[in-house]
Amino acid sequence: AQSVDQPDAHVTLSEGASLELRCSYSYSAAPYLFWYVQYPGQSLQFLLKYITGDTVVKGTKGFEAEFRKSNSSFNLKKSPAHWSDSAKYFCALDPNTNKVVFGTGTRLQVLP
Amino acid sequence: EAAVTQSPRNKVAVTGGKVTLSCNQTNNHNNMYWYRQDTGHGLRLIHYSYGAGSTEKGDIPDGYKASRPSQENFSLILELATPSQTSVYFCASGPDRGGNTLYFGEGSRLIVV
Repeated sequence: AQSVDQPDAHVTLSEGASLELRCSYSYSAAPYLFWYVQYPGQSLQFLLKYITGDTVVKGTKGFEAEFRKSNSSFNLKKSPAHWSDSAKYFCALDPNTNKVVFGTGTRLQVLP
Repeated sequence: EAAVTQSPRNKVAVTGGKVTLSCNQTNNHNNMYWYRQDTGHGLRLIHYSYGAGSTEKGDIPDGYKASRPSQENFSLILELATPSQTSVYFCASGPDRGGNTLYFGEGSRLIVV
């Protein structure tokens, strides 16, 4: 069965630092991978996705993610981080069965 | 802009009562989903639908029913609400092919007392 692991429940860093949120997945075939962001009190918004092709994908708000098949990871990155990036970030796997699987999320706090 | 709206946004229900959460989308998407969000669990899929008249069980369907009377509307029904169903529920819609973005509603906060 497919699954997504986000090992860091909380990440705190200072504004201007580089951020990297970790995501690993378990799936036997080629995955569709997503990152969504949830700002406090709001719903989830699409950030970026990997379908095929270039392993580094760029999304909104200056974020990018790197797909690494060798270690089944899809880490989210941004440099520099801004206080407005404080939110909860979800990694998700779409196994092309219309049943998207989400990780437990990482709460990011960026200190001004 | 894709739009998914949920109602009610907040609900307090009594144990054993019936609760209906409604979702409407104007995206003309075939697929619709109901997730619940709980601390430590992320989003978990309850029910989903491929189109009007269809409902499918997700990963945690026990205690929930779903109804898709039209392309636009998808409801989640708790026939006998229990305190363990206290949660935030999100509806989402998406095209019917893999690799497409999901569009989420604002969420419905349900408290069962």
